[in-house]
Amino acid sequence: DVQMTQSPSSLSASVGDRVTITCRASQNIGTYLNWYQHKPGKAPKVLIYSASSLQSGVPSRFSGSGSGTDFTFTISSLQPEDFATYYCQQSYSVFGQGTKVEIK
Amino acid sequence: QVQVVQSGAEVKRPGASVKVSCKVSGHTLSELSMHWVRQAPGKGLEWMGGYDPEDGEISYAQKFQGRVTMTEETSGDTAYMQLSSLRSEDTAVYYCATGDPVTAALDYWGQGTQVTVSS
Repeated sequence: DVQMTQSPSSLSASVGDRVTITCRASQNIGTYLNWYQHKPGKAPKVLIYSASSLQSGVPSRFSGSGSGTDFTFTISSLQPEDFATYYCQQSYSVFGQGTKVEIK
Repeated sequence: QVQVVQSGAEVKRPGASVKVSCKVSGHTLSELSMHWVRQAPGKGLEWMGGYDPEDGEISYAQKFQGRVTMTEETSGDTAYMQLSSLRSEDTAVYYCATGDPVTAALDYWGQGTQVTVSS
């Protein structure tokens, strides 16, 4: 099975900061990589699909890049509503362990 | 607009089975790819399995093979996930989510079902 390794596992940032999260697959997955936001008590929400495509209705401050085994997720200017846990997922398969974005 | 509504919370004894349902409206279940994800307390999201349209079969995460069964009742647009031989580590919130055939992302999610395994 493919394994997805995210880093960091948590980070502290301030409103307006640029935030970057990385995700590494244990084998080549092309661009079959999605990013989700998850807040406590709510269902997860897809932000990015196919590694770099923005899901409809998602603000443009969210972006993704990469292919093969190395992927990056970026929030260009962190907003108060962005404090959450973010997960990468190989499409229709395993999730990374998550990155909790906390207020500094 | 697709809506996904899950069945209510369950409390089960160790060794028992649980069956969670997921009712879809606004779209026909047979045209969607249903997946199941869980989150144990203090842990991350864990993919359990789902329908892969590329090979036309349900795939299960290796961890759950032999213990989980995912089925669909297309006439009622309802999907089911049954997990057997429950243990305390199976205490979690269980989500169903539909997979978009174009993006291959899980785009519509149920509200989650709390399953508690306790003696």
